[in-house]
Amino acid sequence: GQNIDQPTEMTATEGAIVQINCTYQTSGFNGLFWYQQHAGEAPTFLSYNVLDGLEEKGRFSSFLSRSKGYSYLLLKELQMKDSASYLCAVRDSGGYQKVTFGTGTKLQVIP
Amino acid sequence: KAGVTQTPRYLIKTRGQQVTLSCSPISGHRSVSWYQQTPGQGLQFLFEYFSETQRNKGNFPGRFSGRQFSNSRSEMNVSTLELGDSALYLCASSVYSGSGDEQYFGPGTRLTVT
Repeated sequence: GQNIDQPTEMTATEGAIVQINCTYQTSGFNGLFWYQQHAGEAPTFLSYNVLDGLEEKGRFSSFLSRSKGYSYLLLKELQMKDSASYLCAVRDSGGYQKVTFGTGTKLQVIP
Repeated sequence: KAGVTQTPRYLIKTRGQQVTLSCSPISGHRSVSWYQQTPGQGLQFLFEYFSETQRNKGNFPGRFSGRQFSNSRSEMNVSTLELGDSALYLCASSVYSGSGDEQYFGPGTRLTVT
């Protein structure tokens, strides 16, 4: 099975940098996803990591350490529209792969 | 390309009734997954279908079932509704069911059980 932990809430200032951590304990691992979900909307894909290291995509970067069961999402130059929940999700390994989501981190960006 | 569509968007049912929710994936996507989202539990995996076969199942009671049709459209059914079934039900589609495949989510069906 999968166990995924993320902080429940975070607050950061517009223009700053914020790091959202995710730790996981899994019986199998085949990739980690980050999704953004605005209130009342469906989750949207942000990033995918399967190998160790940093993946950068514009203002958003995601890091993975498989040996530590650890990932983070880094958001730079925060904007008010970045206020949302950020979901960490792990894809299982094995013949049939399913995705397990963490409960999400609610980020509030303040002026 | 049209996104994932789900119908209905909102639904109110009473305890003991049954409900069927529908999901149409993005054209060309063969994998459809269903999730239940509640404020306390977050996104909980229900099941995944690929080419009309259920390939994965989460830890939900047998009252929750689903199926996928040859055109990849999927339905999920919940029988004997309970108050705790009130949630947002999200459907997500992807091209395959493989590593790296990002899932595209539909807007969800908000189910309220009274």
